[in-house]
Parts: sequence; C-alpha cells; structure tokens
Amino acid sequence: QSALTQPPSASGSPGQSVTISCTGTSSDVGGYNYVAWYQQHPGKAPKLMIYEVTKRPSGVPDRFSGSKSGNTASLTVSGLQAEDEADYYCNSYSGSKILVFGTGTKVTVL
Amino acid sequence: QVQLVESGGGVVQPGRSLRLSCAASGFIFSTYAMHWVRQAPGKGLEWVAFLWFDGSNDHYADSVKGRFTISRDNSKNTVYLQMNSLTDEDTAVYYCAADPPNGGWRLESWGQGILVTVS
Repeated sequence: QSALTQPPSASGSPGQSVTISCTGTSSDVGGYNYVAWYQQHPGKAPKLMIYEVTKRPSGVPDRFSGSKSGNTASLTVSGLQAEDEADYYCNSYSGSKILVFGTGTKVTVL
Repeated sequence: QVQLVESGGGVVQPGRSLRLSCAASGFIFSTYAMHWVRQAPGKGLEWVAFLWFDGSNDHYADSVKGRFTISRDNSKNTVYLQMNSLTDEDTAVYYCAADPPNGGWRLESWGQGILVTVS
C-alpha cells in the first residue's frame, strides 16, 4: 500500500488561506468519494476534520473545506488562526486495501 | 460522550507477542466498524487493521498481515489487536478508531493512543 502524496509543509499568516493537496491514484482518491482529512496537534490523537471529500463533522469550523479533482484531493483552511497550526493527514478508501493515509503536511501559522 | 481507551502497550522483545485492548463507551459500539492505526516515532499515520461491526469481515495492511489479528467482543464494548512476531518496525503509538455505521470510511473518534516499543 503506497501512501498518498502530500507536501511536507505549508504556511500562511493569520487570516490568510492555505491549501494542502493529497495525490493518489484511480484506485483510491480518484476512484471513490471517500477522502477524509485529519488534524493532529503534537502529542495528541488525530481529529476528523473532513469526510466524504467535502463534509464537515459537527463542531468543525466552516473555515475548513475539502474538494477533489481527479486523483487529487485538497483541504483548504481559510482565515488561518494560531490554533490551526498542526499536522494534517488525508486518507482515502482504496477498495481491497481498505484505507491509505497521506504522508502528512505540517501547517505553520506565521 | 464518546470515549475510546487503549491499554496493553509497553516494551516487548523482538519475536514476542502483545495484545492491545480498546474499551469503548458513549456510543452503540456494536454498530460501529473499528480500526487500528499506528504512528511510528516522528512519522506519519499508518492504517493497520479493520473489523466490521459484527466481526464478520477483517482486513489488514500488508505490513502486518499474517502477524496481527483484530477481534472484538461486543458484549464488552472492546476491540483487540493481537500482535505476534513483533519486530522493531512495529514500534509505534497505536490508536483505535471508530467508523460509524452510515458508511463513509471515516475515523470519527479516536483513542488517546498507546505506545508499543519493540526492543
């Protein structure tokens, strides 16, 4: 199972937007609308932020949004806040392989 | 509220076995699929294993297939991960996660994680 490809880092100033990409194949990201995004602060468990490409769980701010085009999914954080500084991971359903995670992106709020 | 609490971690010698437990509360455990996910020190998340809500269907990452077994006891609201033939590459924080019954393949709730060190 090959990991989905994410940029190692991304950054933005408070109030700005940052977009993280997650590139897979037609066997995972491109083949299913089951892409999720997780936020992980240091030493903490991951937290679900987006599921089924665009849906937000209850309690997640609408500053977080997801999209997908072909084999690449994206997470956009608008109106960056200090507490958004964290690691972000995508994952996708991948058929018989069930789930595959992305390599992770460290978001820094400048 | 939803709570998942892992236990059973620790230091184990290469080649030995360990069983992790994850006790669930605050939701109807018997309707949720369950996953185990691990994170090696300083590394990213790796999906490890999945078990259907009734225990009828399981899947494993290639890295653990044939060595790890996921199981559950719905009467005890607990999911387990039996880990055999451990190697140093299995050293990681192990998280259990709950996947709700209405599909979506999403890990809605996570435990706090438990450290397994193979040394």
